[in-house]
Amino acid sequence: GAGVSQSPRYKVAKRGQDVALRCDPISGHVSLFWYQQALGQGPEFLTYFQNEAQLDKSGLPSDRFFAERPEGSVSTLKIQRTQQEDSAVYLCASSPSLMNTEAFFGQGTRLTVV
Amino acid sequence: KQEVTQIPAALSVPEGENLVLNCSFTDSAIYNLQWFRQDPGKGLTSLLLIQSSQREQTSGRLNASLDKSSGRSTLYIAASQPGDSATYLCAVRQDDYKLSFGAGTTVTVRA
Repeated sequence: GAGVSQSPRYKVAKRGQDVALRCDPISGHVSLFWYQQALGQGPEFLTYFQNEAQLDKSGLPSDRFFAERPEGSVSTLKIQRTQQEDSAVYLCASSPSLMNTEAFFGQGTRLTVV
Repeated sequence: KQEVTQIPAALSVPEGENLVLNCSFTDSAIYNLQWFRQDPGKGLTSLLLIQSSQREQTSGRLNASLDKSSGRSTLYIAASQPGDSATYLCAVRQDDYKLSFGAGTTVTVRA
């Protein structure tokens, strides 16, 4: 596709429910990132993939958060046993290579936990 | 830990006025700085990317400057239009991949 695609755009989950958020990066992009954006704040780094390898997951808030990119293209961010503080916009970004390159972001998934 | 601050948090100007948005960061050891635009309920659109070796970048009515030693960047938008109303975010890349963002400046351009 022409840009980074995320689905679903909106997700309402009951507290305790598991959710899965999908990201389709720009074709051929090596690097893929997940960020979390709380209302009125800038995005915060969650995790980074280089192809299929997850090189940094230091930003994941807890062990309820899990991300994968098994074939080096599509990525899924999974949140288990969702809690109200997980409500945020989850943004995915991709870059063509590793160094000094522009990051392209998707439209985001707005997660609301009720 | 890199801290990125954007001042002001909000700005309202009449159409035609020039916009000046400020971004400061605490650690000057950066690879690049990127300015983004975010419309309500939308993702981030990249506006300008400045490498650490550059002093400025221009695209149309947008000009961004970078003073790495003092930890500052400024985004100038000339002759503002109502369509420029959005939140503008700056982000610095300090290592191979991670971006650190400011909280953004919300701009309203009044017709």
